[in-house]
Amino acid sequence: AQTVTQSQPEMSVQEAETVTLSCTYDTSESNYYLFWYKQPPSRQMILVIRQEAYKQQNATENRFSVNFQKAAKSFSLKISDSQLGDTAMYFCAFMKHEQGAQKLVFGQGTRLTINP
Amino acid sequence: GAGVSQSPRYKVAKRGQDVALRCDPISGHVSLFWYQQALGQGPEFLTYFQNEAQLDKSGLPSDRFFAERPEGSVSTLKIQRTQQEDSAVYLCASSFLGSGGVETQYFGPGTRLLVL
Repeated sequence: AQTVTQSQPEMSVQEAETVTLSCTYDTSESNYYLFWYKQPPSRQMILVIRQEAYKQQNATENRFSVNFQKAAKSFSLKISDSQLGDTAMYFCAFMKHEQGAQKLVFGQGTRLTINP
Repeated sequence: GAGVSQSPRYKVAKRGQDVALRCDPISGHVSLFWYQQALGQGPEFLTYFQNEAQLDKSGLPSDRFFAERPEGSVSTLKIQRTQQEDSAVYLCASSFLGSGGVETQYFGPGTRLLVL
């Protein structure tokens, strides 16, 4: 079974600062996907970024980037130039790479607050 | 286009009552997932449909939980004889079963269930 661990329950930074959210996972699979989802107070879960495990290059989406360390089973999210709208719960999630749709396995989440 | 919708958004039930939670996936999405999110926790997988077929129900916590998707579109999660420990947000997600690549799951706003 796969497990995902987010060791930072809460984080708080000032607007425009850079913040890094940590995530580690445990799996015996060699091929899989990793995701960061954002859940604002309205509770609609939104995909932020995803990474295929077979790709060595770290994924980037505008101000969001990941540091994927496969050997260490680490998948951190960096948010640059943070904005007030980035305030939300952030969940790291794992998905096996198999044919067809697969369930997501989520971490416990990190509550991120961006202060003005 | 319209996203995943869920109804009701909030439900208060007395212990022992039956409840039904509805999910309308994105049109054309073949895969549909239900997750349960306890307060302050990450979502946990309940069950998965591909069209009308329930392919995985390993996450359903007890036989009081039942899900269906009879026409391969709208899905209903039913909880019989609700207990206080059933209080949670129930999230629905859908994805398009395409060929190759990772399927992004799109989430609905959730139904917050409170059992008194």
